[in-house]
Amino acid sequence: GAGVSQSPRYKVAKRGQDVALRCDPISGHVSLFWYQQALGQGPEFLTYFQNEAQLDKSGLPSDRFFAERPEGSVSTLKIQRTQQEDSAVYLCASSLKRLGTGGNEKLFFGSGTQLSVL
Amino acid sequence: GDSVTQMEGPVTLSEEAFLTINCTYTATGYPSLFWYVQYPGEGLQLLLKATKADDKGSNKGFEATYRKETTSFHLEKGSVQVSDSAVYFCALSKFGSNYKLTFGKGTLLTVNP
Repeated sequence: GAGVSQSPRYKVAKRGQDVALRCDPISGHVSLFWYQQALGQGPEFLTYFQNEAQLDKSGLPSDRFFAERPEGSVSTLKIQRTQQEDSAVYLCASSLKRLGTGGNEKLFFGSGTQLSVL
Repeated sequence: GDSVTQMEGPVTLSEEAFLTINCTYTATGYPSLFWYVQYPGEGLQLLLKATKADDKGSNKGFEATYRKETTSFHLEKGSVQVSDSAVYFCALSKFGSNYKLTFGKGTLLTVNP
């Protein structure tokens, strides 16, 4: 596709369930990001991949959150034993080049997965 | 830590009105500043950016000037259109950590015909 694709668009989970959220970045994009956006808030950084390497996971709120990108393209964000406070929109973004020390490369965001934990 | 504060919404304007959305930041060093826009049902899109003091970012009739002395990056447009209705986010990133954007809470703009 032409843009970043995320699935599912909506996910309802019972508290304690595990969920997996998928991100298909733009083909060939090196950098991939996950952000969490709570209701009424701006997005907050979760984690960053450069190809298959997870270079920064400092934003993951707990060890229940795990992200992977095994082949350097599709990424999955997994949340174990979901809690109500995990309810949010999870945004994925990708960029053509690697980021880090300059360049301010343009990020392309997906429409997000809205997770509701009951 | 770094933070971005933008004016509370929602903002409702009539078509062709002048728009200002205030944004101030707190950060050490010299951040880059951004405005992102989110149209209904779509992902965030970069609207404009400025990477150093006194730079002016502009796009689609929107402008914002990086003011280091007031730590501000206010978004302006001289004449808004109905199609500008969206949520606008101010954000910053730090040199050496450009991937890690810090966002404001967003401002919902509704433009009525």
